[in-house]
Amino acid sequence: SQQGEEDPQALSIQEGENATMNCSYKTSINNLQWYRQNSGRGLVHLILIRSNEREKHSGRLRVTLDTSKKSSSLLITASRAADTASYFCATRDRGSTLGRLYFGRGTQLTVWP
Amino acid sequence: GAGVSQSPSNKVTEKGKDVELRCDPISGHTALYWYRQSLGQGLEFLIYFQGNSAPDKSGLPSDRFSAERTGGSVSTLTIQRTQQEDSAVYLCASSIVGAGTEAFFGQGTRLTVV
Repeated sequence: SQQGEEDPQALSIQEGENATMNCSYKTSINNLQWYRQNSGRGLVHLILIRSNEREKHSGRLRVTLDTSKKSSSLLITASRAADTASYFCATRDRGSTLGRLYFGRGTQLTVWP
Repeated sequence: GAGVSQSPSNKVTEKGKDVELRCDPISGHTALYWYRQSLGQGLEFLIYFQGNSAPDKSGLPSDRFSAERTGGSVSTLTIQRTQQEDSAVYLCASSIVGAGTEAFFGQGTRLTVV
């Protein structure tokens, strides 16, 4: 399976702290994406990092990618209660003609006010 | 529409009945995905449509599950003879075709088989 695996499965922090979530995957990829899901419903795209990039920023989000270790991390700085959600990484196989997006099991982040 | 629309939002059905779940993708998106998510779990891939190509059905869990996409737009996921283990949230997403594109998700259909 190409599915990524996030860890930790659950993370609980106080507002203002930073939250770090990790994702590992199995094969060569074109890019890696992070999504957020509130209350078990639709996912929202957060950020995409390409295989030739090592780090990317978007607001309070910082994503890193280490293709040699087949891993990525998502850092949320200065977390807020509104950041409480599940976070998933998703990948597509490099060179695949299929567009299937593989998702991990997600990290449930809880930010306490 | 502005986003991916799924209907119904919630569906309760009796074991053994057939159900149809509908997905209206974003206009112009030629790629369409169906995923299933059980409570507290990750997204399980079901099926992927891309333009006029043969769909990737490799994720369908049994022959009770089928999906079609008419006219390259609306998609219907059909579950025949539903079982209790089919209870889950069924998520549809669409995107333009390309390796570096994001998927846009609908709000899902929560299916409960009683």
